Amino acid sequence: EPEVTQTPSHQVTQMGQEVILRCVPISNHLYFYWYRQILGQKVEFLVSFYNNEISEKSEIFDDQFSVERPDGSNFTLKIRSTKLEDSAMYFCASSLTSGGPYEQYFGPGTRLTVT
Amino acid sequence: AQSVTQLGSHVSVSEGALVLLRCNYSSSVPPYLFWYVQYPNQGLQLLLKYTSAATLVKGINGFEAEFKKSETSFHLTKPSAHMSDAAEYFCAVSSGNTPLVFGKGTRLSVIA
Repeated sequence: EPEVTQTPSHQVTQMGQEVILRCVPISNHLYFYWYRQILGQKVEFLVSFYNNEISEKSEIFDDQFSVERPDGSNFTLKIRSTKLEDSAMYFCASSLTSGGPYEQYFGPGTRLTVT
Repeated sequence: AQSVTQLGSHVSVSEGALVLLRCNYSSSVPPYLFWYVQYPNQGLQLLLKYTSAATLVKGINGFEAEFKKSETSFHLTKPSAHMSDAAEYFCAVSSGNTPLVFGKGTRLSVIA
């Protein structure tokens, strides 16, 4: 069964450093998402991406964040200058179409630890 | 704006007992509702979803949920818990083209 994959599974970085989290969505899916979960808190929407551009973003997704689909398979989340509060589990998801009842398929997550 | 409240961050049941995980939602438009499960070191897997068809929704692994508009609830149940059901369960809501809005999750423990 097709699945969303994410690398690395765990990333440790120092405050102020740039990190890139990588995701490979399901191959025929058209919509891509990033969510994050700070320990003990809710899973929160960051950004959605369609047709090579951001379709929606939350208040969390400020200028420190960017997303890119550099080739036909990868979908990346970049944090330019990490802060301690960026420590969280980051989930990538993809769906065949957007919104409504359509299922979003989630990857296993990348645990980001900022020290 | 939409929101989800999951009552109980941790629920513990005996093997073979009824599982009941509570979810209440708030939405100004007709909602789509989802239950996801997360096993250790894995991603979120869809258990079931409500899409305005039948109010009683059956999902995988013997789980089901009932949409009750009057109570703004979408509680998840399973008649008989198995050890393999131990996981984190998330309720989520969306509508139209909005992203998923999740609850804080409920950790289910199953005692032998």
